[in-house]
Amino acid sequence: DTGVSQDPRHKITKRGQNVTFRCDPISEHNRLYWYRQTLGQGPEFLTYFQNEAQLEKSRLLSDRFSAERPKGSFSTLEIQRTEQGDSAMYLCASSSSAGSTGNTIYFGEGSWLTVV
Amino acid sequence: AQKITQTQPGMFVQEKEAVTLDCTYDTSDPSYGLFWYKQPSSGEMIFLIYQGSYDQQNATEGRYSLNFQKARKSANLVISASQLGDSAMYFCAMRRPSGGYNKLIFGAGTRLAVHP
Repeated sequence: DTGVSQDPRHKITKRGQNVTFRCDPISEHNRLYWYRQTLGQGPEFLTYFQNEAQLEKSRLLSDRFSAERPKGSFSTLEIQRTEQGDSAMYLCASSSSAGSTGNTIYFGEGSWLTVV
Repeated sequence: AQKITQTQPGMFVQEKEAVTLDCTYDTSDPSYGLFWYKQPSSGEMIFLIYQGSYDQQNATEGRYSLNFQKARKSANLVISASQLGDSAMYFCAMRRPSGGYNKLIFGAGTRLAVHP
């Protein structure tokens, strides 16, 4: 499978615990994005990486959230001291900056987080 | 501010018939891109079709076509010959034109049900 992969697909955690999600983008894609989607809504942008540099962070990304892409390949999204309001699906996406293919953004299957 | 509006929370269509899902957008920038994604119950966002603001012709991808009316700021998705597997949520999205990368703004989505 050469698509965007995310792990874990589902996570149930107790309030106050830390969770980490991993995203492996399509191998030749240098751009990586994280989005959050709550029930009944469209995805909302969280953050963007070009290679290993985090170039934009949404105001939705509070201090409890941190994302990394240390070698410009896979990325992790960590949520510290989870709150019930963090319950959502976290979607990772990737794209290429090269030519017309940069117009296509591919998403993974998402990581569902439930905070109890 | 950029905005995407999908006014149809739910639509249903008979198998093998065509269906149009509405999308209107708001932006003051002359350069932008419009996307449609399909999200089945599994959660993955599946890229369907892309239309650039300067593209002269409406985009088509198999059974999907995008009815792009620039003056009206609409980008409706047409699915021809509907199949049962087309039942899903459909999201319209616009690429933020500045910054040189694909930050997407999504609409609230339309749930399509295909009936046999």
